[in-house]
Amino acid sequence: NAGVTQTPKFQVLKTGQSMTLQCAQDMNHNSMYWYRQDPGMGLRLIYYSASEGTTDKGEVPNGYNVSRLNKREFSLRLESAAPSQTSVYFCASSEPAAWAGPFNQPQHFGDGTRLSIL
Amino acid sequence: TQLLEQSPQFLSIQEGENLTVYCNSSSVFSSLQWYRQEPGEGPVLLVTVVTGGEVKKLKRLTFQFGDARKDSSLHITAAQPGDTGLYLCAGAWAGNNRKLIWGLGTSLAVNP
Repeated sequence: NAGVTQTPKFQVLKTGQSMTLQCAQDMNHNSMYWYRQDPGMGLRLIYYSASEGTTDKGEVPNGYNVSRLNKREFSLRLESAAPSQTSVYFCASSEPAAWAGPFNQPQHFGDGTRLSIL
Repeated sequence: TQLLEQSPQFLSIQEGENLTVYCNSSSVFSSLQWYRQEPGEGPVLLVTVVTGGEVKKLKRLTFQFGDARKDSSLHITAAQPGDTGLYLCAGAWAGNNRKLIWGLGTSLAVNP
């Protein structure tokens, strides 16, 4: 019953460094998402993948790239980390209903990656 | 800009008390989801409401979707310390089904 697994759980980077956050789900869901959660700002969508082979920008995509490697895995890359990207990053997945888009179905979240950029 | 406002922002009560938290918007939603998030973990879905006026119960938690599908409430009866957490509501915008609007949450502390 792993659900959504995120690695790493914690990471400290220096400004300008790059890194990739990994996410994998074992629920055979078609849709996957990357969010960041900041105090006073709530959960904000960075990118999502409605189905394997597609990715779309969310609310705050600048400074990030994503790859939907296969149906199970969806990675988030920071090419040149900035202090403003210090946050808790959550990956989520869902199974869209035939009658509605991906956002009408419950989202299953991982436990997050706590990222600090100095 | 679609906003989903949650109130109160913070709530600290004693075990056994009742409470209600609110989720309000000027936008119409096709569905609304309630999540609870505990420290160090991701949000976990509690319930989804879809029909205007719908009421769903989950043990001591009662969720209601407004008739116009613009607002929702969560009522907890006889709160317990295990109910402590951040309660988030998220609305699937009826405009094009391509966006989930998140509230900032209500942080609930239930003291023994």
